[in-house]
Amino acid sequence: EVHLVESGGGLVQPGGSLRLSCAASGFTFSSNAMNWVRQAPGKGLEWVSHISSSSSKIYYADSVKGRFTISRDNAKNSLYLRMNGLRAEDTAVYYCARVSTTVVGATPFDYWGQGTLVTVSS
Amino acid sequence: QPVLTQPPSSSASPGESARLTCTLPSDINVGRYNIYWYQQKPGSPPRYLLYYYSDSDKGQGSGVPSRFSGSKDASASTGILLISGLQSEDEADYYCMIWSSNAWVFGGGTKLTVL
Repeated sequence: EVHLVESGGGLVQPGGSLRLSCAASGFTFSSNAMNWVRQAPGKGLEWVSHISSSSSKIYYADSVKGRFTISRDNAKNSLYLRMNGLRAEDTAVYYCARVSTTVVGATPFDYWGQGTLVTVSS
Repeated sequence: QPVLTQPPSSSASPGESARLTCTLPSDINVGRYNIYWYQQKPGSPPRYLLYYYSDSDKGQGSGVPSRFSGSKDASASTGILLISGLQSEDEADYYCMIWSSNAWVFGGGTKLTVL
C-alpha cells in the first residue's frame, strides 16, 4: 500500500528556515515524479513545486521561487522541501503528492500524504 | 500561469445532479488541456477523482464511482465535473487542476453542499 508521510513542520519566525520531508513507501519511489502542494488555513490548494523522478526537471510556483528548494533522495525513498526566507503567507499545511505513472496520457496526483503544518509567526 | 475560476459554492439535494465548473481564461483553448478533479473533505488530504481531455481520453481514479464524470464546454472555455445521484457523502470541496507553462494550477475550489 502506498504511504506518504510528511514531517518537519512547526512554528518558525518570519525570515526563518525549515526543511520538510516526505517519506514514501509501498511503491518504487524512483519511478514517480513528486510534488509539494500547500493549503493555507481555510483556503484552497496551491501548488508549490514539482520534481521529476530523476530530479532532472524541477519547477516552482512564482510565489516560492528563489526561496524554496525541492529535492529527493531515491535511495532513501524521500522527498524534501527546503524553505528559506519564510513569510507569514507561507503558513499552511504542506502536502506531498505522487504523480501517477499508470494513467495513460495523464499525470494526476494519485496519492497524497496527510500533510504537515508550517506556521510562520513571531 | 492561467487563473482557473470555480464558483465558491454550489448546492443540490440528494439524488439530484451537481454540475461544478472550472473556467479558464477565454484566450486559452480548454481543448488542449487535461482537466483534473479532486475532492477534499474536512481534515483530509485531497482525493483524486478523474481527469478529462475528451470523450475518448479520460480516466477515473481508483475506486471512484462512475456517477462522477467529466466533460468540457469549449464555447465557455470550461471544464465540468458532473456528480449524478448525489449522496450526503459527496458534500466536500472540489478542485480542478491543469498543467500549464511548467506549472500546476489549481482552481480556487467549490464547496458542494448536499441539502
